[in-house]
Amino acid sequence: QQQVKQSPQSLIVQKGGIPIINCAYENTAFDYFPWYQQFPGKGPALLIAIRPDVSEKKEGRFTISFNKSAKQFSLHIMDSQPGDSATYFCAAAGGGGADGLTFGKGTHLIIQP
Amino acid sequence: ETGVTQSPTHLIKTRGQQVTLRCSSQSGHNTVSWYQQALGQGPQFIFQYYREEENGRGNFPPRFSGLQFPNYSSELNVNALELDDSALYLCASSFGGQWETQYFGPGTRLLVL
Repeated sequence: QQQVKQSPQSLIVQKGGIPIINCAYENTAFDYFPWYQQFPGKGPALLIAIRPDVSEKKEGRFTISFNKSAKQFSLHIMDSQPGDSATYFCAAAGGGGADGLTFGKGTHLIIQP
Repeated sequence: ETGVTQSPTHLIKTRGQQVTLRCSSQSGHNTVSWYQQALGQGPQFIFQYYREEENGRGNFPPRFSGLQFPNYSSELNVNALELDDSALYLCASSFGGQWETQYFGPGTRLLVL
């Protein structure tokens, strides 16, 4: 039972382009939606997160767009750089966090020079 | 880099054996969560400990068990290892009042033969 669906599975973008990764969730009890970045051999690192009371959040070159009615959220990376090449995971949580984070399956992003 | 450390970094076991993985949480964090990340997948929540008590559990069998110590470090124990237990095991620490912001360690890569 996959409660967070992430797409695409892989993505190749030219340097300076804007990769967009999408996620959809099913559980309406979710109220916290983070994005994590993972490099090979490392643990996931928190990039940016949003709650459903706002539709957009920006931190540096990273932007989350959130559509509560559609139960969808997305990550945009502005002015992408080769160093952004990594696997990105969306996640969701709710109910005080005792059920942990529910992750999507990940998107392998490659930024070509 | 987060202040979360895990040991060992890599481990090879045979089917039926038992394994103990260790996690030292970031300073000031009293909540530890464990996740299993199979190759090419997102992390899956195993369980969470808050102030030495298990306060949340994912869909994992009882042979996955844990402990949290007074200094908030933690152990994950897996009995009767199966081939499908081969994965990267991640721990994440957070402060109880800010449970959403989870900082992951680098993980322990477990291979079961």
